[in-house]
Amino acid sequence: ETGVTQTPRHLVMGMTNKKSLKCEQHLGHNAMYWYKQSAKKPLELMFVYNFKEQTENNSVPSRFSPECPNSSHLFLHLHTLQPEDSALYLCASSQVERERTGELFFGEGSRLTVL
Amino acid sequence: GEDVEQSLFLSVREGDSSVINCTYTDSSSTYLYWYKQEPGAGLQLLTYIFSNMDMKQDQRLTVLLNKKDKHLSLRIADTQTGDSAIYFCAESSHSGGYQKVTFGTGTKLQVIP
Repeated sequence: ETGVTQTPRHLVMGMTNKKSLKCEQHLGHNAMYWYKQSAKKPLELMFVYNFKEQTENNSVPSRFSPECPNSSHLFLHLHTLQPEDSALYLCASSQVERERTGELFFGEGSRLTVL
Repeated sequence: GEDVEQSLFLSVREGDSSVINCTYTDSSSTYLYWYKQEPGAGLQLLTYIFSNMDMKQDQRLTVLLNKKDKHLSLRIADTQTGDSAIYFCAESSHSGGYQKVTFGTGTKLQVIP
């Protein structure tokens, strides 16, 4: 139990569906992240929210839409996805302060399959 | 942009030492990390080293940092079957008010009984 909970753990969707991934952190952190994990590729940072403001969007296609309603919740809205978007989507949180080590606390991930 | 490279796979026998290597490109890295991912789980921080250090030891784990060559290694002594996992090398730098962490591909460690 890392204090970061992701739902659903598994999701299968067609290319025309709309679905959302949810992440909740119980650690009192002020930053939340979405990462994409694909086989044989580096873990890819998608979005960062710092104090609920989006501070990073790493050239992610618009079919992925993040939402951070408060510092404890993060969503990733999915629509019109492609089969190559199938991957493990990891949510993480951290406490951002200059003297901190920058340790990220990860959820267990949402395994997405796009048919 | 920043880049972190590591091999994809390592196989060792139980009781031997494992050494996982990593290279990175960002010379302004403040911290370097090793994260562990067990099957069906997210990543968990295993250990980290501050960029002005060259070695850190923590029980069976030894981290070596060669800042000149931008090379980081993780040595696991007396490797056990429970050490089988994917090990991610990562580096961070301060960016836009947060610590931007860049990860490698992960090295899958297989421990043979």
